[in-house]
Amino acid sequence: QKEVEQNSGPLSVPEGAIASLNCTYSDRGSQSFFWYRQYSGKSPELIMFIYSNGDKEDGRFTAQLNKASQYVSLLIRDSQPSDSATYLCAVNAVGRRALTFGSGTRLQVQP
Amino acid sequence: KAGVTQTPRYLIKTRGQQVTLSCSPISGHRSVSWYQQTPGQGLQFLFEYFSETQRNKGNFPGRFSGRQFSNSRSEMNVSTLELGDSALYLCASRDSGSSDTQYFGPGTRLTVL
Repeated sequence: QKEVEQNSGPLSVPEGAIASLNCTYSDRGSQSFFWYRQYSGKSPELIMFIYSNGDKEDGRFTAQLNKASQYVSLLIRDSQPSDSATYLCAVNAVGRRALTFGSGTRLQVQP
Repeated sequence: KAGVTQTPRYLIKTRGQQVTLSCSPISGHRSVSWYQQTPGQGLQFLFEYFSETQRNKGNFPGRFSGRQFSNSRSEMNVSTLELGDSALYLCASRDSGSSDTQYFGPGTRLTVL
């Protein structure tokens, strides 16, 4: 079992819809959770981080964390074609100081 | 603040050669981590340096090494290159020992022929 799992996609949504990206992790010691966006040929760009159970909103993005279920998600409201990219989920366990990444979900927003 | 910078951006080497990649973190950041990204394995952690000391190391062979200088700039070295070392090498900068948030540089695309 991979430490961080994501559906590789592609996840296709129409412009203006809500895109929902999901991630599960296996290490119950994980304490910080990150979402990065990576355009083709570019490096990962931090979108959001979340440490506590519940929701965290930043503009069109909402991160949701459920530690009991070992599940973290990213919602993108009013999806735009420019949101088309690969979204990487990353987790960091206490004391490890290293991010463990999922394989990423490719999102396609159709105009 | 300027972001993380990496040089060179692209590199072509042949098997058996060695290569050195450089990373300058965000000003004031003292932690630098290196990651390898390949289509097959995704993003994998190589090592982390903080105040010139390696604090954490991933599961890579000893051919992969690094160091950090007093100005927090870091270098990564790969000796005896293999075809499988072709990858995007990413450097990530973190502002302190307690913060987990990492910011990535543009990466160095290494091709081994």
